Parts: sequence; C-alpha cells; structure tokens
Amino acid sequence: RKEVEQDPGPFNVPEGATVAFNCTYSNSASQSFFWYRQDCRKEPKLLMSVYSSGNEDGRFTAQLNRASQYISLLIRDSKLSDSATYLCVDAGGTSYGKLTFGQGTILTVHP
Amino acid sequence: SAVISQKPSRDICQRGTSLTIQCQVDSQVTMMFWYRQQPGQSLTLIATANQGSEATYESGFVIDKFPISRPNLTFSTLTVSNMSPEDSSIYLCSVEELMAQTDNEQFFGPGTRLTVL
Repeated sequence: RKEVEQDPGPFNVPEGATVAFNCTYSNSASQSFFWYRQDCRKEPKLLMSVYSSGNEDGRFTAQLNRASQYISLLIRDSKLSDSATYLCVDAGGTSYGKLTFGQGTILTVHP
Repeated sequence: SAVISQKPSRDICQRGTSLTIQCQVDSQVTMMFWYRQQPGQSLTLIATANQGSEATYESGFVIDKFPISRPNLTFSTLTVSNMSPEDSSIYLCSVEELMAQTDNEQFFGPGTRLTVL
C-alpha cells in the first residue's frame, strides 16, 4: 500500500464549481499534514496545513479524519487560476521534517 | 518565507558524467532537503542535508550516487554521479525555516531539470 494515496484525476470542472479531493495515508502515527499546489513546470507551494479540527482559508477547506486516516481538500467557487496539481503530504509523527507526497490530483477549471 | 535559488535551472548531460546542483537560501535555515521528481511522478525525498556532517539518506538512495554537502546554514549541493537516463528528473531542494509558523512546513526551490542522454 502506498504511504499516501490520492486519486490522480484529472478533475475537469467549470468555473464556479465546488470540487473535493481525497487522500488516505498509511502511517497511523502521523500528526501533521499539508496540501501543496504545483503548477506545471513549477515547484510545489504550500497551500495549507491540515489540522484535526479542520482548516479553512477563503475558498479552501481542509479536513482530517484520523479514525479513517483520510484527508480532504474542498475548493469552492473554482477559478481558472485554481488549475494545478494538488499534492497531499504526510509530514510524519515527529518534527524530523520528512515529507511524504502523494502522487497528486490534477485539477483543470474551464470557462 | 525564505527565498531559495538553484543552479543550474536545467541541464542536458551525457551518461557516465556527474552534475552538481547548488541550492542557496537567503536566510539561515534549520533543515535542508533534496527531493527528486521523476517525469509524471510526485516528489521523493533523497536525503536530509546536515550542516557539518554526513547527509541522512532515505531508503534506495546512497551517498556514492548522490553525494551531498552542506557547509553552512544557507547552502547545499547535490551531485548526481555517473548519470544514466534513469536519472533524468527534476531535483528540488527544500528548506525548513528557523521560525516556521508550522512544524515541518517546507519551502521549495525552483528545481533543476536534468536530462541524461
């Protein structure tokens, strides 16, 4: 089983749509998680952290379900500029710093 | 956040040669890491670059193939040795800042796109 598993998509949605990505992780000891965004031919950039209480930042909401070892990212009112690959990241159970990346979910928002 | 630069940004190399990639940060950082992103794949951690001591390598990566230096808190190099076409990839350095808002939050350099012929 992969350590971090994501549906690779692609997800093709119209502007204004709401879209949700899911991610599962295998390390039950992991404590912190992130969503990164990667544009084509660019480096990954941190989108948001994922907390057990959930985390909302504007149109983006991230949720963590520890019992099911499952993370989600919800994007509301999609914009064309949201088109990118979204990477689910397990930051592990310590402050060691190793990030384990999922394979990424491709999102394309069309007019 | 820290500003990270990498040199070269891209290169095309012949098999059997070696390439050294540099990563420079504009501020002191606690941790520096090297990742690989193969075509169509996600990122895989190669090693943690430790200042003043040997790097810590992940399973599947060895020092002879990927020697790493970190002489100070703002600079690191990764060498890809005796290259083969399978080494064609994007190599990214990342850093964890001294005063990061969130534990384990990492920022990435722009990457070095390597093609081995």
